Amino acid sequence: AQSVSQHNHHVILSEAASLELGCNYSYGGTVNLFWYVQYPGQHLQLLLKYFSGDPLVKGIKGFEAEFIKSKFSFNLRKPSVQWSDTAEYFCAVNSGMDSSYKLIFGSGTRLLVRP
Amino acid sequence: NAGVTQTPKFRVLKTGQSMTLLCAQDMNHEYMYWYRQDPGMGLRLIHYSVGEGTTAKGEVPDGYNVSRLKKQNFLLGLESAAPSQTSVYFCASSYPGAQPQHFGDGTRLSIL
Repeated sequence: AQSVSQHNHHVILSEAASLELGCNYSYGGTVNLFWYVQYPGQHLQLLLKYFSGDPLVKGIKGFEAEFIKSKFSFNLRKPSVQWSDTAEYFCAVNSGMDSSYKLIFGSGTRLLVRP
Repeated sequence: NAGVTQTPKFRVLKTGQSMTLLCAQDMNHEYMYWYRQDPGMGLRLIHYSVGEGTTAKGEVPDGYNVSRLKKQNFLLGLESAAPSQTSVYFCASSYPGAQPQHFGDGTRLSIL
């Protein structure tokens, strides 16, 4: 069965620090990859997505992610975090072979940015 | 343009009671999904629908039923609520294919 692992459950950073959140998935076929963010008390919002092409994708709010097929990874990065980036971040995957395109989510990473 | 709207936003039930959560989307999306979110477990798929009149089971379907009588609505029912169903429920919708899902604001449900 497909699974998604986010190894960092809680991350605490100071403003202006660099961020990298890990995401690994287990599926050998064609995959579509997503990062969602959930601000406190809000719904999930799409940060960025990868379907094909350039493995380095840029999203909103200065976030980017790199798809490394050989490592089954899709890590999220931001060069300099802000206090407003405090949120929970979810990596998600769906299979290009599954016509329902249902998402498999990681368990999430809670990021706290200290001013 | 409201996007994905979930009602109610909060609800407290007693064990054994039944209720229905409503999800409505105004984006003419074909696909709709119900997830539950529990601490440390991310979101898990309960049921989904790839079109009006069709539904299918997800990862954790037990204790839930769904219906998609109209394209814009996707209902999640709890027949006999149990404390293990205390959770935050999210509805999502999308176009067919490899498209991002759009999420509602969630329903926080507590079962006593």
